[in-house]
Amino acid sequence: QVQLQESGPGLVKPSQTLSLTCTVPGGSISSGGYYWSWIRQHPGKGLEWIGYIYYSGSTYYNPSLKSRVTISVDTSKNQFSLKLTSVTAADTAVYFCAREDIVLMVYAAWGQGTLVTVSS
Amino acid sequence: DIQMTQSPSSLSASVGDRVTITCRASQTITSYLNWYQQKPGKAPKLLIYAASSLQSGVPSRFSGSGSGTDFTLSISSLQPEDFATYYCQQSYSTPRTFGQGTKVEIK
Repeated sequence: QVQLQESGPGLVKPSQTLSLTCTVPGGSISSGGYYWSWIRQHPGKGLEWIGYIYYSGSTYYNPSLKSRVTISVDTSKNQFSLKLTSVTAADTAVYFCAREDIVLMVYAAWGQGTLVTVSS
Repeated sequence: DIQMTQSPSSLSASVGDRVTITCRASQTITSYLNWYQQKPGKAPKLLIYAASSLQSGVPSRFSGSGSGTDFTLSISSLQPEDFATYYCQQSYSTPRTFGQGTKVEIK
């Protein structure tokens, strides 16, 4: 089972930018066939889809976050990244990276999740 | 956005019970409906895709049905390791959306 790995600061100050990276093992990010996604979960709450990127660089963002979100890909490092600007306490959540199979349209591979707290 | 509504939000059941969880979409999603299981501190795990297809490695006591706007996840005989929160998710359109979750607790 492919295990993705999130990394980045666990604490971000209000109004600053949250930055996370997801490392994909095995050099598969350029193979096509997948959308590389970010999903978050507020403490004790459900799952919120943030957006995805294809290895070519094409993206789709949740309209609710679109003005603040950028997802990018670095195929040379087999990584993709999330930037969320102007964060507030409402952005405190566990952030998951996940792989969506383009054909089946399922998330069968996930990272373990990383808690990001927005606080001064 | 397509809204996904699960019911119940939580349920208590005993080992060996049959459990059914319902998910309703705000518009038709044909069969683009997936089910995930999440345990505390863990990432969600795919159980069912395309409404009724069992993911490889998932026990056959899990099953899914439905199409259009109404879907169900059933667990035929609840096992101790099945106590968790279950989410439905539509992949019919973007943004992808999830149900609010159903927590299955031990009675």
